[in-house]
Amino acid sequence: GQQVMQIPQYQHVQEGEDFTTYCNSSTTLSNIQWYKQRPGGHPVFLIQLVKSGEVKKQKRLTFQFGEAKKNSSLHITATQTTDVGTYFCAGSGNTGKLIFGQGTTLQVKP
Amino acid sequence: EPEVTQTPSHQVTQMGQEVILRCVPISNHLYFYWYRQILGQKVEFLVSFYNNEISEKSEIFDDQFSVERPDGSNFTLKIRSTKLEDSAMYFCASTSRGGYGYTFGSGTRLTVV
Repeated sequence: GQQVMQIPQYQHVQEGEDFTTYCNSSTTLSNIQWYKQRPGGHPVFLIQLVKSGEVKKQKRLTFQFGEAKKNSSLHITATQTTDVGTYFCAGSGNTGKLIFGQGTTLQVKP
Repeated sequence: EPEVTQTPSHQVTQMGQEVILRCVPISNHLYFYWYRQILGQKVEFLVSFYNNEISEKSEIFDDQFSVERPDGSNFTLKIRSTKLEDSAMYFCASTSRGGYGYTFGSGTRLTVV
C-alpha cells in the first residue's frame, strides 16, 4: 500500500538556525499536506500543495512539492522556540484518505 | 474559528470492555475520519466516512471497530472489546472536501488496563 516516509526523525537546532524536513511517497500524490503537532496537542493543518513543482511560503516557512508529485519539503528559516513540535507531511491519493509520514520532531535551543 | 469537539478527553477502560468515543465535526463538513496515534508514533488512518457510510478503512479497523453518525451532528467510534494494544490517542477529523485540509479534534486518550 501507499507509504509516506519522512526524514529526519529528530532535529535539534540552535535558535536562529534553519531547519528542513523531507517527505517521500511511494506513489504519486494528488496533493500533499503539512501539519504541526505541539507536544501533547493535536495535528494542526498548515498548508496544502496540489500542483507539480509548487512552492508556497508562510512567513519563515517554505513548502515545496516535487515535479513528480512524490516528494515534498518544509524549510523553516531562522527557527524560533515557538517552532518546537512535530511536523508531519501527509499524502492524499485518489481515495481522499491521508497517509501520514512518521513526523520530524524539532527541538530549538534558545 | 470552528472546531472539532471530542469527548471524553481521557477514557480508562478494562480490557474486554466496550468504549464509545464521540466527536462533533464542524457543521458544514461532509467528510469524517478517525485516526489514532500511539504515544510518540505517527498518526494512523482508521476509517473515512461520507454520505452516511464508510468510504474506506484500514487493516487496523477490524470487526471490533464500528462508526456511526446517529444524528446530524455526532460521529462516534465504537470499540466492542478493547485490547491492551488499543491504548492510544484517537483523533477525529473532518473536512468540507475529501482529502483536503483536515481539522482535527483535540483527541481522546484511551487507556486500556
